[in-house]
Formats: sequence, C-alpha cells, structure tokens
Amino acid sequence: SQQGEEDPQALSIQEGENATMNCSYKTSINNLQWYRQNSGRGLVHLILIRSNEREKHSGRLRVTLDTSKKSSSLLITASRAADTASYFCATDRGGYQKVTFGTGTKLQVIP
Amino acid sequence: NAGVMQNPRHLVRRRGQEARLRCSPMKGHSHVYWYRQLPEEGLKFMVYLQKENIIDESGMPKERFSAEFPKEGPSILRIQQVVRGDSAAYFCASSRPGVGEKLFFGSGTQLSVL
Repeated sequence: SQQGEEDPQALSIQEGENATMNCSYKTSINNLQWYRQNSGRGLVHLILIRSNEREKHSGRLRVTLDTSKKSSSLLITASRAADTASYFCATDRGGYQKVTFGTGTKLQVIP
Repeated sequence: NAGVMQNPRHLVRRRGQEARLRCSPMKGHSHVYWYRQLPEEGLKFMVYLQKENIIDESGMPKERFSAEFPKEGPSILRIQQVVRGDSAAYFCASSRPGVGEKLFFGSGTQLSVL
C-alpha cells in the first residue's frame, strides 16, 4: 500500500499565485522527499527534509514537516506556467529501506 | 555523467510473451529501484536492489516477475507470460549507497500488452 497520500488530488491556480500541496503518511519516517513529474516523464527530485527538521527552503519551494501529525506540505510561491506537473511526496524509514511514493497532486498553473 | 538510462522507451508484447526492461543506473550508483505507474496514478514500489542482491521485493508479484542487478551490466526487470493488466509505465531509479539519498529517475518504459 502507498505510504503517502497527497491532497488535493488536483489543483488549478493562476500564474503568480501560491500553490500548497499536502502529504500525509502512516508510519514513522526518516526522510521525506518531494518529486515532480511532467507528463510522461520520469520524476525529478525537488527537496529532501529529514525527520529532525521542521522547515526547508529551496528557491521558490518551501517544505514543512510535522512528525507529530505525520504530514508535510510543499509550497510553491509565485507559480509559473512551467510549474504545471504532478507532485509526489516520498518517504523512507531509514537504513536500507525502500522509498515509497504517495498518490500525487496534479497542479495546473494557468498563464 | 549520463543520467539513468532505460530501454526500450516503448515495448509492445502480445499476451503470453516475455518482456525485458533494462535500466542502467548513473555512474557510481549501486542501488536501483523499480516502480510501476498506471495513468493518472502514483508510483507503486516493486523492488529495491543492490548490485548482486535484492534488498526488498515486497512490491513485486511472486509469479511471472523477477528482477536482477548483476555485478556488471544493467538491472533487468523481467515479466514472463505478460497479460493485459501488465500494461503500464515502468520506471527505474538509482541512488548512491547511503541513507536518505535522493533518487534519480529514468524516462521509463511504456509496456503495452496486446
């Protein structure tokens, strides 16, 4: 079964607005990562946050992690049409444990 | 440094045939993952391999599916006696050894079973 569940499943916003996606997971984790997938392509790593971190920034991306609620959020500020893609969270439980992906949020940014 | 290479990009098989999907990890990467994705869905974990060793195959069906990552050469995902339900995109990812390493993905193999 999938470890993570993203919500919303789909999100449509105007260019320039902020986009927030959430990820909830079921078991304790060591790391949580966010990936992006353009239609028909492989996934691209965006950002990694460790279980002892609460917030991380990378350019226009901001990720938060709340281990007590078993949830994470990805914020994309000042969105662009090129941000249109599906976004997935992925978790691992440390050691040589598999990385499992959530169900994804499909983001559409309208120019 | 070439990225993760998967081939073929598209593979068409008739029911009952065998499908072999190849994945060459990035240089220096000794860990390989295989995932399956149906249209508009997330990635489903299949198998996690290290060179010459299967670390976790809990997501792979026990029958008809097998995976290997030999000391030399690419990782192979093999599906015997394919059925229509095997039609999907299969993605390979590689990572460096270590904990919490990010995954680098290939472009995937789209398998179509007629």
